[in-house]
Amino acid sequence: DTEVTQTPKHLVMGMTNKKSLKCEQHMGHRAMYWYKQKAKKPPELMFVYSYEKLSINESVPSRFSPECPNSSLLNLHLHALQPEDSALYLCASSQGGLAGGPSRNEQFFGPGTRLTVL
Amino acid sequence: AQSVTQLGSHVSVSEGALVLLRCNYSSSVPPYLFWYVQYPNQGLQLLLKYTTGATLVKGINGFEAEFKKSETSFHLTKPSAHMSDAAEYFCAVSDPQEYGNKLVFGAGTILRVKS
Repeated sequence: DTEVTQTPKHLVMGMTNKKSLKCEQHMGHRAMYWYKQKAKKPPELMFVYSYEKLSINESVPSRFSPECPNSSLLNLHLHALQPEDSALYLCASSQGGLAGGPSRNEQFFGPGTRLTVL
Repeated sequence: AQSVTQLGSHVSVSEGALVLLRCNYSSSVPPYLFWYVQYPNQGLQLLLKYTTGATLVKGINGFEAEFKKSETSFHLTKPSAHMSDAAEYFCAVSDPQEYGNKLVFGAGTILRVKS
Protein backbone atom coordinates (compact mmCIF):
# COMPACT_ATOMS: atom_id res chain seq x y z
CA ASP A 1 0.00 0.00 0.00
CA THR A 2 1.69 3.18 -1.19
CA GLU A 3 -1.12 5.54 -0.44
CA VAL A 4 -1.93 8.34 1.96
CA THR A 5 -5.65 8.69 2.51
CA GLN A 6 -7.50 11.69 3.88
CA THR A 7 -11.05 12.10 5.09
CA PRO A 8 -13.31 13.86 4.57
CA LYS A 9 -12.71 15.00 1.00
CA HIS A 10 -14.75 18.15 1.56
CA LEU A 11 -15.76 19.90 4.79
CA VAL A 12 -17.91 22.96 5.38
CA MET A 13 -18.01 24.34 8.89
CA GLY A 14 -19.14 27.40 10.78
CA MET A 15 -16.83 29.50 12.88
CA THR A 16 -18.20 28.00 16.11
CA ASN A 17 -17.96 24.38 15.02
CA LYS A 18 -15.45 21.76 16.08
CA LYS A 19 -14.36 19.31 13.42
CA SER A 20 -11.46 16.99 12.69
CA LEU A 21 -9.49 16.01 9.61
CA LYS A 22 -8.06 12.52 9.39
CA CYS A 23 -5.01 11.19 7.58
CA GLU A 24 -3.87 7.59 7.36
CA GLN A 25 -0.91 5.77 5.85
CA HIS A 26 0.15 2.14 5.96
CA MET A 27 3.60 2.43 4.44
CA GLY A 28 5.38 2.21 7.77
CA HIS A 29 6.44 5.83 7.52
CA ARG A 30 7.44 7.41 10.80
CA ALA A 31 7.15 11.08 9.86
CA MET A 32 3.84 12.74 9.04
CA TYR A 33 3.06 16.28 8.01
CA TRP A 34 0.20 18.75 7.71
CA TYR A 35 0.28 21.39 5.02
CA LYS A 36 -2.13 24.20 4.20
CA GLN A 37 -2.60 25.26 0.59
CA LYS A 38 -4.53 28.39 -0.24
CA ALA A 39 -5.93 28.80 -3.74
CA LYS A 40 -3.28 29.47 -6.37
CA LYS A 41 -0.49 29.17 -3.79
CA PRO A 42 2.06 26.49 -2.94
CA PRO A 43 1.63 24.29 0.13
CA GLU A 44 2.85 25.71 3.43
CA LEU A 45 4.05 23.47 6.22
CA MET A 46 2.03 23.55 9.44
CA PHE A 47 3.15 20.62 11.62
CA VAL A 48 5.53 17.69 11.53
CA TYR A 49 5.32 14.56 13.63
CA SER A 50 8.21 12.17 14.01
CA TYR A 51 7.71 8.82 15.71
CA GLU A 52 4.33 10.06 16.95
CA LYS A 53 5.80 13.12 18.65
CA LEU A 54 5.22 16.68 17.52
CA SER A 55 8.56 17.84 16.20
CA ILE A 56 7.77 21.02 14.35
CA ASN A 57 5.02 23.60 14.73
CA GLU A 58 5.37 26.40 12.22
CA SER A 59 3.77 28.99 14.51
CA VAL A 60 0.29 27.76 13.69
CA PRO A 61 -2.63 29.35 15.60
CA SER A 62 -3.97 27.26 18.48
CA ARG A 63 -7.33 26.86 16.76
CA PHE A 64 -5.51 24.12 14.83
CA SER A 65 -4.59 21.20 17.08
CA PRO A 66 -2.74 18.19 15.66
CA GLU A 67 -2.76 14.72 17.12
CA CYS A 68 -0.91 11.54 16.24
CA PRO A 69 -2.64 8.62 18.03
CA ASN A 70 -0.41 5.99 16.41
CA SER A 71 2.19 5.60 13.71
CA SER A 72 -0.39 5.28 10.93
CA LEU A 73 -2.82 7.99 11.85
CA LEU A 74 -2.67 11.77 11.99
CA ASN A 75 -5.54 14.05 12.94
CA LEU A 76 -6.02 17.79 12.74
CA HIS A 77 -8.62 19.13 15.16
CA LEU A 78 -10.28 22.38 14.19
CA HIS A 79 -12.04 24.80 16.50
CA ALA A 80 -13.21 28.38 16.13
CA LEU A 81 -11.78 28.77 12.66
CA GLN A 82 -11.96 31.92 10.60
CA PRO A 83 -13.07 32.26 6.97
CA GLU A 84 -9.44 32.91 5.99
CA ASP A 85 -8.65 29.37 7.14
CA SER A 86 -10.53 28.04 4.13
CA ALA A 87 -8.01 26.06 2.11
CA LEU A 88 -6.92 22.63 0.93
CA TYR A 89 -5.33 20.76 3.83
CA LEU A 90 -2.78 18.21 2.73
CA CYS A 91 -1.28 15.40 4.72
CA ALA A 92 2.04 13.79 3.80
CA SER A 93 4.29 11.08 5.16
CA SER A 94 7.91 10.08 4.74
CA GLN A 95 10.09 7.18 5.71
CA GLY A 96 12.26 7.29 8.78
CA GLY A 97 13.02 10.24 10.99
CA LEU A 98 13.68 13.85 10.20
CA ALA A 99 17.46 13.89 10.28
CA GLY A 100 17.83 13.60 6.55
CA GLY A 101 19.23 11.16 4.05
CA PRO A 102 18.41 10.59 0.40
CA SER A 103 15.53 8.17 0.77
CA ARG A 104 14.03 9.78 3.84
CA ASN A 105 13.27 13.09 2.26
CA GLU A 106 10.65 11.93 -0.18
CA GLN A 107 7.22 12.95 1.03
CA PHE A 108 4.09 11.17 -0.15
CA PHE A 109 0.99 13.36 -0.22
CA GLY A 110 -2.65 12.53 0.26
CA PRO A 111 -5.43 13.99 -1.90
CA GLY A 112 -6.30 16.66 0.65
CA THR A 113 -9.39 17.90 2.42
CA ARG A 114 -11.04 20.98 0.93
CA LEU A 115 -12.15 23.06 3.93
CA THR A 116 -14.61 25.92 3.71
CA VAL A 117 -15.25 28.05 6.81
CA LEU A 118 -18.44 30.09 6.72
CA ALA B 1 17.45 30.18 4.21
CA GLN B 2 16.40 28.40 1.09
CA SER B 3 14.11 29.62 -1.63
CA VAL B 4 12.81 28.53 -5.01
CA THR B 5 11.90 30.64 -8.01
CA GLN B 6 9.81 29.22 -10.79
CA LEU B 7 9.94 31.38 -13.88
CA GLY B 8 6.57 31.66 -15.52
CA SER B 9 3.38 31.14 -13.57
CA HIS B 10 1.74 29.84 -16.75
CA VAL B 11 3.31 27.91 -19.63
CA SER B 12 1.42 26.89 -22.75
CA VAL B 13 2.66 24.30 -25.24
CA SER B 14 1.14 22.39 -28.13
CA GLU B 15 0.59 18.68 -27.85
CA GLY B 16 3.77 16.92 -28.97
CA ALA B 17 5.98 19.94 -28.28
CA LEU B 18 8.83 20.16 -25.80
CA VAL B 19 7.90 21.00 -22.23
CA LEU B 20 10.35 23.17 -20.28
CA LEU B 21 9.50 24.38 -16.79
CA ARG B 22 12.14 26.48 -15.10
CA CYS B 23 13.26 26.29 -11.50
CA ASN B 24 16.09 28.17 -9.80
CA TYR B 25 16.96 27.72 -6.18
CA SER B 26 18.89 29.52 -3.52
CA SER B 27 20.65 27.46 -0.89
CA SER B 28 23.76 27.80 1.24
CA VAL B 29 24.36 24.05 1.13
CA PRO B 30 23.98 21.43 -1.63
CA PRO B 31 20.23 20.96 -1.63
CA TYR B 32 17.86 18.15 -2.32
CA LEU B 33 15.52 19.12 -5.15
CA PHE B 34 12.09 17.85 -6.12
CA TRP B 35 9.43 18.32 -8.75
CA TYR B 36 5.83 17.62 -7.81
CA VAL B 37 2.71 17.69 -10.00
CA GLN B 38 -0.75 18.61 -8.78
CA TYR B 39 -3.89 17.96 -10.77
CA PRO B 40 -6.98 20.04 -9.95
CA ASN B 41 -8.41 19.34 -6.49
CA GLN B 42 -5.83 16.64 -5.83
CA GLY B 43 -2.74 16.18 -3.73
CA LEU B 44 0.84 16.38 -4.91
CA GLN B 45 2.56 13.56 -6.74
CA LEU B 46 6.32 13.29 -6.86
CA LEU B 47 7.67 13.38 -10.42
CA LEU B 48 11.36 13.13 -9.62
CA LYS B 49 14.01 14.08 -7.13
CA TYR B 50 17.69 14.90 -6.97
CA THR B 51 19.66 14.11 -3.83
CA THR B 52 23.19 13.10 -4.78
CA GLY B 53 24.94 11.41 -7.68
CA ALA B 54 23.89 11.69 -11.31
CA THR B 55 22.78 15.20 -12.13
CA LEU B 56 20.33 14.12 -14.84
CA VAL B 57 17.34 12.64 -13.12
CA LYS B 58 14.59 10.70 -14.84
CA GLY B 59 11.12 10.59 -13.37
CA ILE B 60 7.69 9.29 -14.07
CA ASN B 61 5.57 10.04 -17.13
CA GLY B 62 8.61 10.79 -19.31
CA PHE B 63 9.82 13.80 -17.33
CA GLU B 64 13.42 14.50 -16.49
CA ALA B 65 15.38 17.28 -14.84
CA GLU B 66 19.01 18.26 -14.68
CA PHE B 67 20.71 19.66 -11.60
CA LYS B 68 23.11 22.41 -12.64
CA LYS B 69 25.00 23.65 -9.63
CA SER B 70 26.77 26.44 -11.51
CA GLU B 71 23.41 27.83 -12.62
CA THR B 72 21.55 26.92 -9.40
CA SER B 73 18.88 25.44 -11.62
CA PHE B 74 16.75 22.31 -11.76
CA HIS B 75 14.63 22.71 -14.88
CA LEU B 76 11.98 20.11 -15.73
CA THR B 77 11.67 18.85 -19.31
CA LYS B 78 9.64 16.42 -21.34
CA PRO B 79 10.34 15.85 -25.04
CA SER B 80 6.72 15.58 -26.15
CA ALA B 81 3.76 17.04 -24.27
CA HIS B 82 0.58 15.08 -23.84
CA MET B 83 -2.84 16.45 -23.00
CA SER B 84 -2.72 14.58 -19.70
CA ASP B 85 0.32 16.65 -18.66
CA ALA B 86 -1.88 19.70 -18.10
CA ALA B 87 -1.55 20.41 -14.38
CA GLU B 88 0.31 22.59 -11.90
CA TYR B 89 3.95 21.82 -11.27
CA PHE B 90 5.87 22.72 -8.12
CA CYS B 91 9.61 22.74 -7.67
CA ALA B 92 10.74 22.25 -4.08
CA VAL B 93 14.01 22.39 -2.19
CA SER B 94 15.08 20.73 1.03
CA ASP B 95 18.18 21.28 3.13
CA PRO B 96 19.63 17.83 3.90
CA GLN B 97 21.50 19.23 6.88
CA GLU B 98 18.49 20.81 8.52
CA TYR B 99 16.41 18.81 10.96
CA GLY B 100 12.80 18.48 9.92
CA ASN B 101 12.83 17.40 6.28
CA LYS B 102 11.11 20.66 5.38
CA LEU B 103 10.15 21.31 1.82
CA VAL B 104 10.19 24.87 0.51
CA PHE B 105 8.03 25.14 -2.58
CA GLY B 106 8.16 27.50 -5.49
CA ALA B 107 5.03 29.41 -6.46
CA GLY B 108 4.10 26.82 -9.06
CA THR B 109 3.74 26.76 -12.84
CA ILE B 110 0.47 25.90 -14.52
CA LEU B 111 1.08 23.94 -17.69
CA ARG B 112 -1.50 24.17 -20.44
CA VAL B 113 -1.36 21.75 -23.37
CA LYS B 114 -3.09 22.80 -26.56
CA SER B 115 -4.41 20.29 -29.05
